[in-house]
Amino acid sequence: AQSVTQLGSHVSVSEGALVLLRCNYSSSVPPYLFWYVQYPNQGLQLLLKYTTGATLVKGINGFEAEFKKSETSFHLTKPSAHMSDAAEYFCAVSEESLGNRKLIWGLGTSLAVNP
Amino acid sequence: NAGVTQTPKFRVLKTGQSMTLLCAQDMNHEYMYWYRQDPGMGLRLIHYSVGEGTTAKGEVPDGYNVSRLKKQNFLLGLESAAPSQTSVYFCASGALGQLSYGYTFGSGTRLTVV
Repeated sequence: AQSVTQLGSHVSVSEGALVLLRCNYSSSVPPYLFWYVQYPNQGLQLLLKYTTGATLVKGINGFEAEFKKSETSFHLTKPSAHMSDAAEYFCAVSEESLGNRKLIWGLGTSLAVNP
Repeated sequence: NAGVTQTPKFRVLKTGQSMTLLCAQDMNHEYMYWYRQDPGMGLRLIHYSVGEGTTAKGEVPDGYNVSRLKKQNFLLGLESAAPSQTSVYFCASGALGQLSYGYTFGSGTRLTVV
């Protein structure tokens, strides 16, 4: 079974600093990888995804992630944090078994942005 | 352009009461999912459905039942609520054969069982 590990349940950065949220996965097949963001008291929305092709993926709000197969990683970055980036971030990998598809989720990383 | 709609948004139940949470999607998605979200535990899959009339158990199905009588609706039932079911519940949907598309989520239902 596939799994997703997000290193660091809480990350705190200063406004304007680099954001780096780590995600490692285990998968026996080429994966589809996702980052979702959850703002306070809201549902999850897709931030970006890797399917095939270019390993550097750009998403909304200036975020990007790089798929590194050799490291089984899909870390999320943003060059300059903004106060509005404070949220919970979830990494996920897509799994299909017997025709049923599911997303396997990491436990999430809460990002705090300090003024 | 509603996407996934969950009702109600908030609910307080007494232990032993029953209730049904409704999820409705207007994207003609085949797959629908119910999750619960608890602090430090991420998203845990309760039940899911791969099409109208089908349901399957997820990671934490005990104490919950589901039905998918219509393609656009996925109902989550609690027959006898317990304080351990206090949580935020999210519904999500996904398109058939589109593993790469991810899910669309509802805005959640915050349930408190006292």
